[in-house]
Amino acid sequence: SAVISQKPSRDICQRGTSLTIQCQVDSQVTMMFWYRQQPGQSLTLIATANQGSEATYESGFVIDKFPISRPNLTFSTLTVSNMSPEDSSIYLCSVEGTGAYEQYFGPGTRLTVT
Amino acid sequence: RKEVEQDPGPFNVPEGATVAFNCTYSNSASQSFFWYRQDCRKEPKLLMSVYSSGNEDGRFTAQLNRASQYISLLIRDSKLSDSATYLCVVTNTGANNLFFGTGTRLTVIP
Repeated sequence: SAVISQKPSRDICQRGTSLTIQCQVDSQVTMMFWYRQQPGQSLTLIATANQGSEATYESGFVIDKFPISRPNLTFSTLTVSNMSPEDSSIYLCSVEGTGAYEQYFGPGTRLTVT
Repeated sequence: RKEVEQDPGPFNVPEGATVAFNCTYSNSASQSFFWYRQDCRKEPKLLMSVYSSGNEDGRFTAQLNRASQYISLLIRDSKLSDSATYLCVVTNTGANNLFFGTGTRLTVIP
């Protein structure tokens, strides 16, 4: 499986600020995904990021709040903009695996907004 | 109604026990099914895919019942290292969106 790293691993931010999370993969992948896992909740897909095109956002998530970049086949960023305490969560990137619809996850970024 | 529902547990079982988890899904057109494992403060890791014919990987057996729209995971001879949260995951036809259950927490007791 791919080796995936995320930066930062955790951060504490003030409300109203923005944080950009980086996701790096050790091999080229077509599709990368960004998820959120709020405390005690299941993972929820924010958006799918393909290289060379705009990200596709799921219902309830918008580009102004969660802008995504995908400059090449091994890297993506997710920005959490104008943060509020409700954005406190773990943010995970994932990549497509070898099997149909399989995905492998990065270690996550634990965000706390005060 | 949630896409995927699981009994959150916790399940506390002694070492060596057999334990089973069930998961139900709401969309009859769901395409692919998985069990992921998530350790505390770690990312989810793929445990196994679930095939229509059922599949086994060592002590782990997964089964799919499309008619009743549920998936099961059976763990035999539980080890302390099996302690984790087990996530049931479903995808819909033609989509890469994984729908996660909230997970079932297992603790194996010495």
